[in-house]
Amino acid sequence: NAGVTQTPKFRVLKTGQSMTLLCAQDMNHEYMYWYRQDPGMGLRLIHYSVGEGTTAKGEVPDGYNVSRLKKQNFLLGLESAAPSQTSVYFCASSSPEGAPRTDTQYFGPGTRLTVL
Amino acid sequence: AQTVTQSQPEMSVQEAETVTLSCTYDTSENNYYLFWYKQPPSRQMILVIRQEAYKQQNATENRFSVNFQKAAKSFSLKISDSQLGDTAMYFCAFMIRGGSNYKLTFGKGTLLTVNP
Repeated sequence: NAGVTQTPKFRVLKTGQSMTLLCAQDMNHEYMYWYRQDPGMGLRLIHYSVGEGTTAKGEVPDGYNVSRLKKQNFLLGLESAAPSQTSVYFCASSSPEGAPRTDTQYFGPGTRLTVL
Repeated sequence: AQTVTQSQPEMSVQEAETVTLSCTYDTSENNYYLFWYKQPPSRQMILVIRQEAYKQQNATENRFSVNFQKAAKSFSLKISDSQLGDTAMYFCAFMIRGGSNYKLTFGKGTLLTVNP
């Protein structure tokens, strides 16, 4: 199992450009999450999904959109990138209650995004 | 809303010694999980240890143990026989048990350096 993978690992954008970050998991997890990590701020939840075709806002959703068309994939989109979105983005996944270790989130390796 | 506070931005310890990282949290919930995650320079988020709030016994994983004080809302991590590979950022995190989304709320982290 590859676990949770993220594409790309690094990206530099200019202000106003758009891009999509891809998260893929091969553990058949129901729940998926996108976090951003900024210096001195810990990880903050952007959006999450509790199942295929469903998404919901987290703590800092502004400027981002997400889609979960397939159970194994969770996409994070930036329609018009801003310097304030310079951050490291982490994807995570977990399974719902009733499955082993349901509370444990498994993280991807992160994507470092710089917006100039 | 839940909050997690890590009051020690940085700590250092000599190899083979013991160090304790502090974490306090605030919640009105009675049923929840607490976690410590480790983030080494590779940036990968690695689960170190988890504690279920309804269990009185403190969790232990090899050299890592916690001191969970539910009434005081305190959840400290003790690392025994510190190793150079323990050098990392450590995050305390909180999750409501039985909630609808299994979201994690993170503290801002403590940077631990193990010196030879």
